[in-house]
Amino acid sequence: QITLKESGPTLVKPTQTLTLTCTFSGFSLSTSGVGVGWIRQPPGKALEWLALIYWDDDKRYSPSLKSRLTITKDTSKNQVVLTMTNMDPVDTATYYCAHSVESWFDPWGQGTLVTVSS
Amino acid sequence: QSALTQPASVSGSPGQSITISCTGTSSDVGSYNLVSWYQQHPGKAPKLMIYEGSKRPSGVSNRFSGSKSGNTASLTISGLQAEDEADYYCCSYAGSSVVVFGGGTKLTVL
Repeated sequence: QITLKESGPTLVKPTQTLTLTCTFSGFSLSTSGVGVGWIRQPPGKALEWLALIYWDDDKRYSPSLKSRLTITKDTSKNQVVLTMTNMDPVDTATYYCAHSVESWFDPWGQGTLVTVSS
Repeated sequence: QSALTQPASVSGSPGQSITISCTGTSSDVGSYNLVSWYQQHPGKAPKLMIYEGSKRPSGVSNRFSGSKSGNTASLTISGLQAEDEADYYCCSYAGSSVVVFGGGTKLTVL
């Protein structure tokens, strides 16, 4: 059974850097074809894909946010970390991580709400 | 990379069928058979319902089906049930390992 769980701060101030950790079980990020993605959802709004990291350490980012995002993995700890710099109130959202094969996401973590406010 | 276009809302009565469209471009939906669909109930994480355009994960009801024509993908739900009321999102591979989601569709079961 694959499970994922996001962790990190619930509140960050504008201009700060957000660091989120996705801790997973039930699969290995060293297995060919496997990836972990990050997706966010502002309150009442649509899903937005942020980043993907693959078993071979290939990393992909949303073109619109690429300059602010970094995704890394620690295979030994079964963790994927996403950092987003220069946070703004418009970045307030629920952030999800999800297991990925090809381009789909299944399953997803429960999500973590991050509020950006001074 | 623009979001895929979905209708904001659709509705149907129990037992009826509905279809949700997802329109992209020749750079995403039109070029790859890699459209996925997600169901999201309020306050819950999204759940994969369809992948590779028309395949259902284990455990997903066969009332859910997916298809594609040109730059538009579709999700059809037959035999609508009250529990199907939720938000639905499409997602497509857009080349270079980039992914794009749709704006979401709220399904109301009347």
